[in-house]
This record gives sequence, C-alpha cells and structure tokens, in this order.
Amino acid sequence: QTVVTQEPSFSVSPGGTVTLTCGLSSGSVSTSYSYSWYQQTPGQAPRTLIYSTNIRSSGVPDRFSGSILGNKAALTITGAQADDECDYYCVLYMGSGNWVFGGGTKLTVL
Amino acid sequence: EVQLVESGGGLVQPGGSLRLSCAASGFTFSSNSMNWVRQAPGKGLEWVSYISASSATIYYADSVKGRFTISRDNAKNSLYLQMNSLRAEDTAVYYCATPVGGSGGFGYWGQGTLVTVSS
Repeated sequence: QTVVTQEPSFSVSPGGTVTLTCGLSSGSVSTSYSYSWYQQTPGQAPRTLIYSTNIRSSGVPDRFSGSILGNKAALTITGAQADDECDYYCVLYMGSGNWVFGGGTKLTVL
Repeated sequence: EVQLVESGGGLVQPGGSLRLSCAASGFTFSSNSMNWVRQAPGKGLEWVSYISASSATIYYADSVKGRFTISRDNAKNSLYLQMNSLRAEDTAVYYCATPVGGSGGFGYWGQGTLVTVSS
C-alpha cells in the first residue's frame, strides 16, 4: 500500500520562505505520477493551489510554487503571510483510480 | 462561476444507508469526470470515488468498495454517492470535486456535507 508522507507541522516567519514536501514511503517520487497541492483553513473546503506538480491553479499568487526536489514533490511558499497559516495537503495520482493523499502539514506563521 | 453544492448528509445509525447529492453549475458537467473526497473530524483528506464523464469508468477506495456506489445524471447536472452498510469510520465531511487539467488533481470543491454514523 502506498503511503504519502508530509511533515506534520512546520513553522515560518512572516515574510520568510518555506518548503513543504511530499514523499513516498517506498522511496523516490516518480515523474510519471501527478502531484497536486491543496490549502485548507479550519471549517472550509480545500482550495487547489498546484496541479501537475508545478502548475498554479487560477487565482493562486505566484508566491506558491510546486516542484520536485530531490526525491520528493515540494510546495514552496515565499513571502509568507499570516493568512498562509493553515493546513496543506498533497495528493499523488498514480493512474487507474489510485489517488493517495498525504497526511497534511499544519503551517504556523510566527 | 463554478458551483458545487452537496446535500444529503445527516445522522444515520451503523448499518444504515444515505444518499449524497452534488449539484453542479457553471461548467459543462457532462464533459467532466467527478470525484468524492471525504474528511473525518480532525483528520486529513481521503479520496473516496471517481466517475468518468460518461459513467463508463468508476473507481472506489478500498475502504468503501462494495458498500458505496457513485453515479451521475448528466441531464440534471448532478453527482450522487449511495452509501450502504455505513460504519462509524465513515463519519466525515464529504466533498464533491471536479478534475483539473486532466492532471489527476482536483480543481473545484463543494462546501461539503457532514455524514455522522452513530447510534
């Protein structure tokens, strides 16, 4: 069974840069898979940030970017703002009906 | 503007059934696949089910296979999730979500509907 791993929590200073990662328990992420990132504030529906590893969803500021770093998918937030403080989820799509969410990262801006 | 509005959630006893609906507008529903994603209280997101635009291809998470049935009515711009043999662990907010860019990712999300399975 595929397990997607994310940091449970992360902190960043206001104005700072943070990189959240999304890995596979079995080893390196594959470039043949699709990775996407979602932002969720408490009590709200998720908001799509990034899809196809590095494509920003409509209306998402360019402070958010996606990439592959080493053996993981990554979401980088530059110029962190107070309202970036929320949960972030990655999803791995391996095809043929296989979607696996990571456990999420709780980002604190302080 | 894309809108997805889920309904049908509520309190149900273990072993019971519930049917969720998702009313779609603002895009060509009949040309898009759709998904259900759920989130248990205080927990992360979990993909539940997928249906292609024509209903020809359907997938389920192992956790719901054999108990849940996804369907759609393109004439009514509506997506459904029939949930049978419900368990306490099915308690969650259920979201319908559109695809995005053919990427395997999710694009637009509804606001969710809460299903509580409890005696």
